[in-house]
Amino acid sequence: QKEVEQDPGPLSVPEGAIVSLNCTYSNSAFQYFMWYRQYSRKGPELLMYTYSSGNKEDGRFTAQVDKSSKYISLFIRDSQPSDSATYLCAMDTGRRALTFGSGTRLQVQP
Amino acid sequence: EAGVAQSPRYKIIEKRQSVAFWCNPISGHATLYWYQQILGQGPKLLIQFQNNGVVDDSQLPKDRFSAERLKGVDSTLKIQPAKLEDSAVYLCASTQGGGQDTEAFFGQGTRLTVV
Repeated sequence: QKEVEQDPGPLSVPEGAIVSLNCTYSNSAFQYFMWYRQYSRKGPELLMYTYSSGNKEDGRFTAQVDKSSKYISLFIRDSQPSDSATYLCAMDTGRRALTFGSGTRLQVQP
Repeated sequence: EAGVAQSPRYKIIEKRQSVAFWCNPISGHATLYWYQQILGQGPKLLIQFQNNGVVDDSQLPKDRFSAERLKGVDSTLKIQPAKLEDSAVYLCASTQGGGQDTEAFFGQGTRLTVV
């Protein structure tokens, strides 16, 4: 069993839709949770960072962590074609080295 | 602020050949990482340096992969001999160090194809 599970998609939504991306994990030692966005042929870039259960909002993005269920989510409101990318969840036990999910490919149709 | 620089961007080699990748992290960043990203998968950590010392190389296939970070700045990752399954994007990342919430910045990666 992988430490971090993520649905690979692809996920196709119309412009303006609310997008929900999810990851589950099995390692209770994970304390820090991140979402990265990766455009084609580019390196990942950090979108959201959180270390506690609950919600964190930044503009159109909301990250949600439920440590009791070992489940994290990223919500994108008012999705735009420019949001089309692969979204990677990433987790850290505190060693400051990341364990990534496999990524979900998102396509926002204009 | 300049980003993480990697070269080459693309490399095609035959199996059993050797190859080397180079990374220049963001100036002042103490921690440097090499990740391997196979097509359709998330990045997997190969090695983590703190300054010029190795912090974690538990997932580095040491029979064929080697990495060094001389003088705590630039780093090179070498594969010798390459196998078909080494075809992947090799990503270098760096962090400033210090607090836990320091962001990891990634380079654009080197796309390796082994034929």
